[in-house]
Amino acid sequence: GAVVSQHPSWVICKSGTSVKIECRSLDFQATTMFWYRQFPKQSLMLMATSNEGSKATYEQGVEKDKFLINHASLTLSTLTVTSAHPEDSSFYICSARYTDRGLYEQYFGPGTRLTVT
Amino acid sequence: AQKITQTQPGMFVQEKEAVTLDCTYDTSDQSYGLFWYKQPSSGEMIFLIYQGSYDEQNATEGRYSLNFQKARKSANLVISASQLGDSAMYFCAMSPGPANQAGTALIFGKGTTLSVSS
Repeated sequence: GAVVSQHPSWVICKSGTSVKIECRSLDFQATTMFWYRQFPKQSLMLMATSNEGSKATYEQGVEKDKFLINHASLTLSTLTVTSAHPEDSSFYICSARYTDRGLYEQYFGPGTRLTVT
Repeated sequence: AQKITQTQPGMFVQEKEAVTLDCTYDTSDQSYGLFWYKQPSSGEMIFLIYQGSYDEQNATEGRYSLNFQKARKSANLVISASQLGDSAMYFCAMSPGPANQAGTALIFGKGTTLSVSS
């Protein structure tokens, strides 16, 4: 199967600073990647769809100036949480869809746990 | 609007027993895909099984099977012979529109926490 990596796996930052999370497709090219946010024991909430070479599409209610997404290549998308606050603390997961048999499974990165102090 | 509903916040089962996790969906699309994922406490999302809207037979993958009832818009996951390692959160998800699209994100239900005891 396809592999999606994320870095860092966890990060602690101070309120007011910015944090960048990287999402890489290791063995396939991903024109589109997705960023999700998950609070403890809750579902995955789609934040935005990241498109290589163009602007990301944000879901309603997600501040695009706060959550900057850059999809600079077919294997890398980054999410930058700007001026982080404690309420931004969450589990962030990226994913990409890939097929080698006609079914576009959605492969997920291992997630990044962000804690803002 | 597309929606996935999982009504069981938590389920408890003993080892070696079978368990059914419920999932209903709402969509006006004729072509769509249904997925089940497992999320252990480590946080990784593990793909379990897929059912296409035009698939006539229920999907099976080892101990996992999907009970697909299209008219009732339900896609329940059945885990046979539960194991301690099955304890995790389980999410039902839907790919709106044709399932063979790379640019569409999955829509997730709220999840069901499964606890398997010995």
